[in-house]
Formats: sequence, C-alpha cells, structure tokens
Amino acid sequence: KQEVTQIPAALSVPEGENLVLNCSFTDSAIYNLQWFRQDPGKGLTSLLLIQSSQREQTSGRLNASLDKSSGRSTLYIAASQPGDSATYLCAVKGSNDYKLSFGAGTTVTVRA
Amino acid sequence: SAVISQKPSRDICQRGTSLTIQCQVDSQVTMMFWYRQQPGQSLTLIATANQGSEATYESGFVIDKFPISRPNLTFSTLTVSNMSPEDSSIYLCSVEAVEGTEAFFGQGTRLTVV
Repeated sequence: KQEVTQIPAALSVPEGENLVLNCSFTDSAIYNLQWFRQDPGKGLTSLLLIQSSQREQTSGRLNASLDKSSGRSTLYIAASQPGDSATYLCAVKGSNDYKLSFGAGTTVTVRA
Repeated sequence: SAVISQKPSRDICQRGTSLTIQCQVDSQVTMMFWYRQQPGQSLTLIATANQGSEATYESGFVIDKFPISRPNLTFSTLTVSNMSPEDSSIYLCSVEAVEGTEAFFGQGTRLTVV
C-alpha cells in the first residue's frame, strides 16, 4: 500500500522567503504526482501535475521536482506572499490501480 | 481543466437522517470519485463512480451507508445515510477527464452531524 509522507507538517515564514515543501512516497510504481492547495474548509485546487517520466514542472512562482527512484518530490514556492498561506497536499497516483494516495499536508503560514 | 459544482457547500444534520450531495461537472468525464476528509486528516477515497456501472467502494466503505448514483457523464450524487457524529467531515467530489490524468476537485461539502 502506498504511503505518502509530507514534512514538515507546518511551516511559518516571513513574507518574501522561499518555501520548500517535501513529499516522500514508499512505492516508486507511480503514474503521476500532483500537488494541491487547500484553503480552510474548502476543496482542493490543483497546482502542478508531474508525470512519472518527468523530472520537474513549473508554473509561475511554483516549481515541483520528482525523483521517482528515491520516492521524493519537492514543491518550491518562490518569494512567498501572505496569500500563499494554505495547506499544501501531495498526492501520488499508482501505476497499477490509478488511485490517488494523499499525504497529510503541510500547513503554511506566510507572515506579512 | 474541469469546473465542478458541488452542493450543498455545508449542512448541519440531525443524527439518524440522510444527506445527498450533488456533483455537477461542466464537461463529460469518465471517472468520478468521492472522498472524505475527516477533521484534521487527509483525504480518503470512498468510491469510484463510472457511468453505467455500479460504484466501486474502498475497504471500510459500504453501499448501504454511502449509496452513489452516476446517471450520466456530468453528474453524480453521494448519499450519507443514517448519519452519526462520526460522519462529520468534508466530502469531496473529484473527476478525471481521462483515467490517470490530472484530477480536479469540487469545493467540498462540509457536513456536521449533531
């Protein structure tokens, strides 16, 4: 069974600092990996999707890397803003069952 | 991308009653999924709903408790039956245009059972 771990569980940084969020997974047989943002009490917003054959994806201030062999992905958010405050979830889709396995998330607070 | 409308956005229900949650997508999709997010927890898949077939439930979830309908390629409902306070969670609908591609989520239904 795929286990997804996100470290740290919470992070508080001053505005302007770069954010580094880590995701690790136990089974390297993945189809893709997706990063989501969740605001309190709300649904999930897709941020980046990385296919298993890719090493990284970029969208604006966001960059996500994937090292499938070591079971790791990192989400970088450059020049953080208070609006980036949210919980960030990592989800891995298995290549055998195409089901998403979620991490517990990293809750980010960006202080103005 | 897909735009998903989920209703209701929140509700407070009496124990022993049932609530039906609706999920409407702005385009035809093959795969629709229902998830539960208990307070302070991450997401757990309840079932996969494909049009024209019975929903497939994950371990720990049964059809009598969480009946699902999928009448067409743009709509699905999840019913939470005979509710107890332990059912208080956010319930989320998710879609994939094609199996294995990017997943999109609705805004969720925040359910409180009293």
